[in-house]
Amino acid sequence: KAGVTQTPRYLIKTRGQQVTLSCSPISGHRSVSWYQQTPGQGLQFLFEYFSETQRNKGNFPGRFSGRQFSNSRSEMNVSTLELGDSALYLCASSLGASAKNIQYFGAGTRLSVL
Amino acid sequence: DQQVKQNSPSLSVQEGRISILNCDYTNSMFDYFLWYKKYPAEGPTFLISISSIKDKNEDGRFTVFLNKSAKHLSLHIVPSQPGDSAVYFCAASGTSGTYKYIFGTGTRLKVLA
Repeated sequence: KAGVTQTPRYLIKTRGQQVTLSCSPISGHRSVSWYQQTPGQGLQFLFEYFSETQRNKGNFPGRFSGRQFSNSRSEMNVSTLELGDSALYLCASSLGASAKNIQYFGAGTRLSVL
Repeated sequence: DQQVKQNSPSLSVQEGRISILNCDYTNSMFDYFLWYKKYPAEGPTFLISISSIKDKNEDGRFTVFLNKSAKHLSLHIVPSQPGDSAVYFCAASGTSGTYKYIFGTGTRLKVLA
């Protein structure tokens, strides 16, 4: 069974640009969550989607948005990039929306903003 | 405000000995706790979990202990192996929260051969 796939693996952008990251969950998983990992900050929750609806949202500015498609694939968009947005962005999928459904992570997209 | 804290950024242990990784939380509404392991260039991998109705859960070499009164959990690895060298994250979740998991900042474990 294929795992969670994130594309691209690496991205370099400049300040002010926008970026779209993609996540394909494990087959059959309907919940997709996004996290930002920066040094010293651990993994910070961005948002969670279930059946194309955003269920939860973390404490991030409106420049961060996402969506989920009918096949459960998800995209995350960051507009007007800032230097501080440089981070590893991780996507995780789980069978259902319950917190007790284990989340399985992709390898992440490393975004560098210059 | 860091609701889940891992106060030791790094830990070194001799192969064969016990590794103890600690995690503290502040929100008493958390009722489910997990540990993830992360190798470089890979995503975090689920290791073990524990519900707040238990105080211990064991899976092979890995045991998680939960002390609800102290709002503290720990992960014990016995015996430690070089392949266990990784960054370990604890995470917490509450059924009434607006988030899925709140993660700690991680502890880098190095098992010395």
